Amino acid sequence: GQQLNQSPQSMFIQEGEDVSMNCTSSSIFNTWLWYKQDPGEGPVLLIALYKAGELTSNGRLTAQFGITRKDSFLNISASIPSDVGIYFCAGPQGAQKLVFGQGTRLTINP
Amino acid sequence: GAVVSQHPSRVICKSGTSVKIECRSLDFQATTMFWYRQFPKQSLMLMATSNEGSKATYEQGVEKDKFLINHASLTLSTLTVTSAHPEDSSFYICSASRRLLRGYTFGSGTRLTVV
Repeated sequence: GQQLNQSPQSMFIQEGEDVSMNCTSSSIFNTWLWYKQDPGEGPVLLIALYKAGELTSNGRLTAQFGITRKDSFLNISASIPSDVGIYFCAGPQGAQKLVFGQGTRLTINP
Repeated sequence: GAVVSQHPSRVICKSGTSVKIECRSLDFQATTMFWYRQFPKQSLMLMATSNEGSKATYEQGVEKDKFLINHASLTLSTLTVTSAHPEDSSFYICSASRRLLRGYTFGSGTRLTVV
């Protein structure tokens, strides 16, 4: 089935720095979703992308749907402590299922 | 809108017993719900797709007799881990969607520990 390769697997940054992570696939996706998961919680949808080339923002978060439809990027500007968590990209597999990337674990040093 | 409630959030059970986890869509009807399993520091792995009024569809390698899924109404799906063993200890998460591809809403997860 389709697989999503997410990188980096982990990031250790200073508070206030910008963050960038990406997700790639060997096959085309028509939708890209970005989720954040806090410890002991379920994932929460951050941004949904539906069109190639689309650039969408949600506060300090910006995500882009790659032109080739095989990749997507998530950027976080001016990181703050509450940004700590695991970020997952996801895309539809078939009619109903979602496939997830391996996740990017973000750690912020105050 | 699109709130999914999962209960319990944590459960500890003895080996050999069964545990039931509930997933409810609070403000919408979900004809389809999904059950995931997540091991520490790993991604979410889909276990099964729960369809209201019909049998669940299990992913390859998931034992249907061990992980019983019931989706008897448009707002409730349950996952029962039968004859639990320590290796079943994991974080179980459900999700549901009202509109396809508009982003699934996830429950808050259930931490199962089998002792």
